[in-house]
Amino acid sequence: QQQVKQSPQSLIVQKGGIPIINCAYENTAFDYFPWYQQFPGKGPALLIAIRPDVSEKKEGRFTISFNKSAKQFSLHIMDSQPGDSATYFCAARETSGSRLTFGEGTQLTVNP
Amino acid sequence: KAGVTQTPRYLIKTRGQQVTLSCSPISGHRSVSWYQQTPGQGLQFLFEYFSETQRNKGNFPGRFSGRQFSNSRSEMNVSTLELGDSALYLCASSPLLNTEAFFGQGTRLTVV
Repeated sequence: QQQVKQSPQSLIVQKGGIPIINCAYENTAFDYFPWYQQFPGKGPALLIAIRPDVSEKKEGRFTISFNKSAKQFSLHIMDSQPGDSATYFCAARETSGSRLTFGEGTQLTVNP
Repeated sequence: KAGVTQTPRYLIKTRGQQVTLSCSPISGHRSVSWYQQTPGQGLQFLFEYFSETQRNKGNFPGRFSGRQFSNSRSEMNVSTLELGDSALYLCASSPLLNTEAFFGQGTRLTVV
């Protein structure tokens, strides 16, 4: 049972573009939503995370937008660079535990 | 500060064998979680340990087990290996329960 749905599966943008990756969830017990970046042969690296009490969070070129009523959240990458080419995963965690439920992943390619 | 260290990085085993994977968390972190990553199923939670106790378990058969030592290092064991167990096994460490999770580079297990 996939509790976090992520789209698109793949995304290609030009350098300087703003890729947007979307995630949706059903479980209202989720209260922590991180995004991870994974390069081939590496483990996922924590990029940025948000809790439902805020609608937006920015860290450097990465921004999370959160819509609690729609149960959706998204990652925006400003001024994207070829070095941002990686697989991005959204995730969610319940209040009561530490288990992360991951989306399916989005393979991002930023062309020079 | 050293990151999460997983050993070995690569492993090839034969069907029916058993395997033990090791994880050393970030210094001072007390929670360790394990995840399985495959192209078909994505990232799936296996189990979490805190203070040498299993706190949470995912939907995996009993062939998958783990433990945590007093120094927070963790091991996971898979017995009677099946071809479908071929995957990247990731360990994540957190300072405490319900805090940010940082992943290691993973152990790539191939079952032949």
